[in-house]
Amino acid sequence: DVKVTQSSRYLVKRTGEKVFLECVQDMDHENMFWYRQDPGLGLRLIYFSYDVKMKEKGDIPEGYSVSREKKERFSLILESASTNQTSMYLCASSLSGQGIRDEQFFGPGTRLTVL
Amino acid sequence: DAKTTQPPSMDCAEGRAANLPCNHSTISGNEYVYWYRQIHSQGPQYIIHGLKNNETNEMASLIITEDRKSSTLILPHATLRDTAVYYCIVRVNNAGNMLTFGGGTRLMVKP
Repeated sequence: DVKVTQSSRYLVKRTGEKVFLECVQDMDHENMFWYRQDPGLGLRLIYFSYDVKMKEKGDIPEGYSVSREKKERFSLILESASTNQTSMYLCASSLSGQGIRDEQFFGPGTRLTVL
Repeated sequence: DAKTTQPPSMDCAEGRAANLPCNHSTISGNEYVYWYRQIHSQGPQYIIHGLKNNETNEMASLIITEDRKSSTLILPHATLRDTAVYYCIVRVNNAGNMLTFGGGTRLMVKP
């Protein structure tokens, strides 16, 4: 089974802190994604990556950065956490290539609270 | 991606079939219908997808109308563990494309 793991299920940080959210997948997937999920707003894409050292902005990249130094690991960084970044953060991965089913596999999520 | 409309909530008795509708009247010819679900405090989980033919897998069946403007996800024998929010998404089948979830349908399976 594909497994996508996230470093923490719950995290509490203070305003201004630098926050690292780690995501690891064990199925050699090329594509990895970071979303945030908020009540009434659904799932919104922050950043995604099609390959090592490659990143693309999603719909809401402001205040975030990412790092993909190894294929299996995709990190989301909040350079200076703010209260409006309190949210559920979801990491996902998928295979690449023509004809692939395009199923995204999600991690369990990290619920981040910024005080 | 085409917009979808789903009822905000539904109830279903345990052991009975759960039929979850989705309207997608602006769907394009190359867009697929995907279904995901999200159980409380977990990440979303892929269920099934289809283009125009009905599809069935170990989790569910997907019925797409002939004009493709609506579809129904069927859980044939709902269990309490199927209580979740179910999302219907319409999108091009391009590996790596992001997902956009709307409000979904909150299915409550009751004993």
